[in-house]
Amino acid sequence: AQSVTQLDSQVPVFEEAPVELRCNYSSSVSVYLFWYVQYPNQGLQLLLKYLSGSTLVKSINGFEAEFNKSQTSFHLRKPSVHISDTAEYFCAVSVYRASGTYKYIFGTGTRLKVLA
Amino acid sequence: GAVVSQHPSWVICKSGTSVKIECRSLDFQATTMFWYRQFPKQSLMLMATSNEGSKATYEQGVEKDKFLINHASLTLSTLTVTSAHPEDSSFYICSASFNPSGTSGRITQYFGPGTRLTVL
Repeated sequence: AQSVTQLDSQVPVFEEAPVELRCNYSSSVSVYLFWYVQYPNQGLQLLLKYLSGSTLVKSINGFEAEFNKSQTSFHLRKPSVHISDTAEYFCAVSVYRASGTYKYIFGTGTRLKVLA
Repeated sequence: GAVVSQHPSWVICKSGTSVKIECRSLDFQATTMFWYRQFPKQSLMLMATSNEGSKATYEQGVEKDKFLINHASLTLSTLTVTSAHPEDSSFYICSASFNPSGTSGRITQYFGPGTRLTVL
């Protein structure tokens, strides 16, 4: 069965420092990977995704993630974080179902806390 | 693009009453909509998947008679929590995907802002 593991439940980091949020997946078929960000009492916002092509994907606000097939990872990185990056981050894999639709399997989330 | 709205954003109701939550795709046709439930400080739990014009597919352990889902049009899905009880209090989030030529749209989900339900 496919699964997504986010090993770090909380990551505290000082402002302007780099950060890496880890995500590992298990899947025996083609994978489509996503990172979402959730601010308090809000829905999820798509940060970036890997469907195919270049293994390094970037968001407009400075985050990037690299799909590593051999290590089954899709870690999220940012070279310099801001206070406003404080949020919950979810990694997800989209899996195909017999009904013809796709279903997300989410990780348990990582709470990024940026300290002044 | 790909904006999803939910209404209401929060609702408080008495135990035993029913509550309807709407999920709308504002700028695209959502062939598939998903309903999730999220407990405090936890991940999202998929409740059901609905395709426009057909019955919803519920995940194991989700009571279909309690959580009624309707996807009558390509831009609207509703979740009705029937005879709500305090244990149904939660944050409910919908998402939608679409089906253009190619699979990218079907693979990616766009989420609504969520509805916080409190049952007294």
